[in-house]
Amino acid sequence: QKEVEQDPGPLSVPEGAIVSLNCTYSNSAFQYFMWYRQYSRKGPELLMYTYSSGNKEDGRFTAQVDKSSKYISLFIRDSQPSDSATYLCAMSGRGSQGNLIFGKGTKLSVKP
Amino acid sequence: EPEVTQTPSHQVTQMGQEVILRCVPISNHLYFYWYRQILGQKVEFLVSFYNNEISEKSEIFDDQFSVERPDGSNFTLKIRSTKLEDSAMYFCASTQKGPSTEQYFGPGTRLTVT
Repeated sequence: QKEVEQDPGPLSVPEGAIVSLNCTYSNSAFQYFMWYRQYSRKGPELLMYTYSSGNKEDGRFTAQVDKSSKYISLFIRDSQPSDSATYLCAMSGRGSQGNLIFGKGTKLSVKP
Repeated sequence: EPEVTQTPSHQVTQMGQEVILRCVPISNHLYFYWYRQILGQKVEFLVSFYNNEISEKSEIFDDQFSVERPDGSNFTLKIRSTKLEDSAMYFCASTQKGPSTEQYFGPGTRLTVT
């Protein structure tokens, strides 16, 4: 079983749609959860950071963590063509020295 | 806004040659990392570095790899004898507060080994 699983997509939505991106994981020790946005051949750009369970909102982005289900989500409201990118989830555990485990990424396309 | 920078953006080298990839982390950050991403695959952790020593490394980070912080601003990754399978994007990242806090990534160096 892979540590972090993420549907690679591609996911295509019309402009203005609500986008839901998800990851599941198997390691119950994971406590720190991040979402990154990556444009083609560029570095990952940090969007959201969450510790343990719960929700966090930042502008059009909402991150949710459900540790009981080992499931994390990123919601994008009022999606824009500029949101078209690959979205990576990443996580690490207690005692880790920062070793982030990444999902494979979901490629999102927002059509005008 | 401060950012992580990396040079060069693209490096082409022949198999067996040594390469050094350079990074300048965000200035008040204390924890530094290298990751790599082979085309079409996941971002993979290589090594973490704190207080002038390696704090964790992955199985990928074998004896061919080394890291160094030669001065107060640069952080380097050296590959001693490159192999074809080392071709990838290499990303440097840094954090300020601790190993499990937000990591900020640089734009990457694309390494092509021929």
